[in-house]
Amino acid sequence: KAGVTQTPRYLIKTRGQQVTLSCSPISGHRSVSWYQQTPGQGLQFLFEYFSETQRNKGNFPGRFSGRQFSNSRSEMNVSTLELGDSALYLCASSWGTGGSYEQYFGPGTRLTVT
Amino acid sequence: AQSVTQLDSQVPVFEEAPVELRCNYSSSVSVYLFWYVQYPNQGLQLLLKYLSGSTLVESINGFEAEFNKSQTSFHLRKPSVHISDTAEYFCAVSDPYGGATNKLIFGTGTLLAVQP
Repeated sequence: KAGVTQTPRYLIKTRGQQVTLSCSPISGHRSVSWYQQTPGQGLQFLFEYFSETQRNKGNFPGRFSGRQFSNSRSEMNVSTLELGDSALYLCASSWGTGGSYEQYFGPGTRLTVT
Repeated sequence: AQSVTQLDSQVPVFEEAPVELRCNYSSSVSVYLFWYVQYPNQGLQLLLKYLSGSTLVESINGFEAEFNKSQTSFHLRKPSVHISDTAEYFCAVSDPYGGATNKLIFGTGTLLAVQP
């Protein structure tokens, strides 16, 4: 079974631009969660999608948004990039939701904002 | 709000020595507890989890963790570490106030540095 894939793996953007990151979950998984990892703030939850519905959202500004498609693939978008958005963005997929299901993480997309 | 504390940012240890990585959480209600490991330039891998039942949980590669409700702790231990165990270890808890979601709250991580 293929694991969680994230594209692109590396990205360099300029302040003010927008970016879209993609996450393909493990086949059959319906939940996709996104996390931001930075040296200063650690791992922070962005949002979770389950069967195309946003289940929960972390404490991030509205510039961060996401969506999930009918095939469970998910995208997250960051508009008007700021230097502080430089981070490793991880997505995780799971068969179900509710906290007890095992979550499988992708390798991440490393975003650098200059 | 729920929080997770990993007091040790880095733990140096010699190969074949035992190690304990500490994790405390703040919730007074039931939570699910997890340990994840992250190798350089990789995502997170689930090491072990506590959902209910026996308070001692084990992984396939020799790690174990013990859930202690009275001390709200979930410390990770290994009796004999290998060089290949060098990685960052994250303790995480499910969000008890977030409804039925997969949201995890992570600690700040502990870098386990195994020396020969």
